[in-house]
Amino acid sequence: AQKVTQAQTEISVVEKEDVTLDCVYETRDTTYYLFWYKQPPSGELVFLIRRNSFDEQNEISGRYSWNFQKSTSSFNFTITASQVVDSAVYFCALTGDSSYKLIFGSGTRLLVRP
Amino acid sequence: EAGVAQSPRYKIIEKRQSVAFWCNPISGHATLYWYQQILGQGPKLLIQFQNNGVVDDSQLPKDRFSAERLKGVDSTLKIQPAKLEDSAVYLCASSLAGTERETQYFGPGTRLLVL
Repeated sequence: AQKVTQAQTEISVVEKEDVTLDCVYETRDTTYYLFWYKQPPSGELVFLIRRNSFDEQNEISGRYSWNFQKSTSSFNFTITASQVVDSAVYFCALTGDSSYKLIFGSGTRLLVRP
Repeated sequence: EAGVAQSPRYKIIEKRQSVAFWCNPISGHATLYWYQQILGQGPKLLIQFQNNGVVDDSQLPKDRFSAERLKGVDSTLKIQPAKLEDSAVYLCASSLAGTERETQYFGPGTRLLVL
């Protein structure tokens, strides 16, 4: 069975600090896809990134970066120089070739204080 | 390009009443999903449509929940009768063809409170 664990329930940082959100996954699939979504207070889930299991290159997009490590089954998300607008709940999710169902973690609530 | 549209945004009902939610996916997306998100949890898939056919409804409580996607575009999700534990955000999402490699795009959700 597929599973996503986000052990950090809530993180609070001061603006401009760097913060890393952890994501650990379990799957027996050879081919799988990992996602990060942001859910601001408005409620909509905003897609941030998709990574397939064959691409372990780290990715950077502006202040966002992602570290995918198959050896530890982790797909961590780092925000550099956090801003108040980054305050939201962040979800890590997984799907694979044995099931098209998108499995979400329980989310990490990030609060960035001015 | 317009995103996934949902209405209403908020709904408050008494238990045992019925309620319906509407979703309009991104134009051209064949696959439509309904998720339930209980406070403090990640979204959980209720039902997946491919065009107007059901692909997966294994997590849909069929004694009280129903969904349809007539003409393969818009969809409605209905709860009848509602229970207190149905209080949640109901999210609609869509993707091009429903494969595991695709990104699902979500609407703003409908927040349901059952009193």
